[in-house]
Amino acid sequence: EPEVTQTPSHQVTQMGQEVILRCVPISNHLYFYWYRQILGQKVEFLVSFYNNEISEKSEIFDDQFSVERPDGSNFTLKIRSTKLEDSAMYFCASRGQGGSPLHFGNGTRLTVT
Amino acid sequence: TQLLEQSPQFLSIQEGENLTVYCNSSSVFSSLQWYRQEPGEGPVLLVTVVTGGEVKKLKRLTFQFGDARKDSSLHITAAQPGDTGLYLCAGAKYAGNNRKLIWGLGTSLAVNP
Repeated sequence: EPEVTQTPSHQVTQMGQEVILRCVPISNHLYFYWYRQILGQKVEFLVSFYNNEISEKSEIFDDQFSVERPDGSNFTLKIRSTKLEDSAMYFCASRGQGGSPLHFGNGTRLTVT
Repeated sequence: TQLLEQSPQFLSIQEGENLTVYCNSSSVFSSLQWYRQEPGEGPVLLVTVVTGGEVKKLKRLTFQFGDARKDSSLHITAAQPGDTGLYLCAGAKYAGNNRKLIWGLGTSLAVNP
């Protein structure tokens, strides 16, 4: 069964550094998402992306965050200048058309020191 | 702010017992999804309920959506150690559009042999 893949599985970075989290969504999916989960807290919506543009973003997704689909397969989340509070599991998800469900990757654990 | 409250937060039972976990909100959702998440992995969709009062069964798991579409329950019959995991509910506000899900904190279930 096709799946969403995320790399790396764990990223450690120093405060102020830029990080890029990578995702390969399921190939025929059209809608792409980033969610995050801070340890012990709820999963939170960050951003949705469709037709090469952001369709919705949360208040968490400020100017330090950006997303890109640089080619036909990858979907990336960039954090320009990481803060300690950015430490979390970041999940990429994708879905097909209509009301089809989200398929999640296994996440990237980001640790900012 | 839409909130989903799950209860109990933690549950430890013996193999063979039955259990019910709850997902409650003061808001109406057009659909509600139940996910299971294993450590180090992303959430995996179990079921989506759409219609008020709807009941769906997945082997020993029974899911119900409240008549007012504000709450849901998951009942597991004759729990097995393989049922151990984190069960998350997530609500979508727009019919056919699950791009932004509101998540509960989850119920961590441990089934002891």
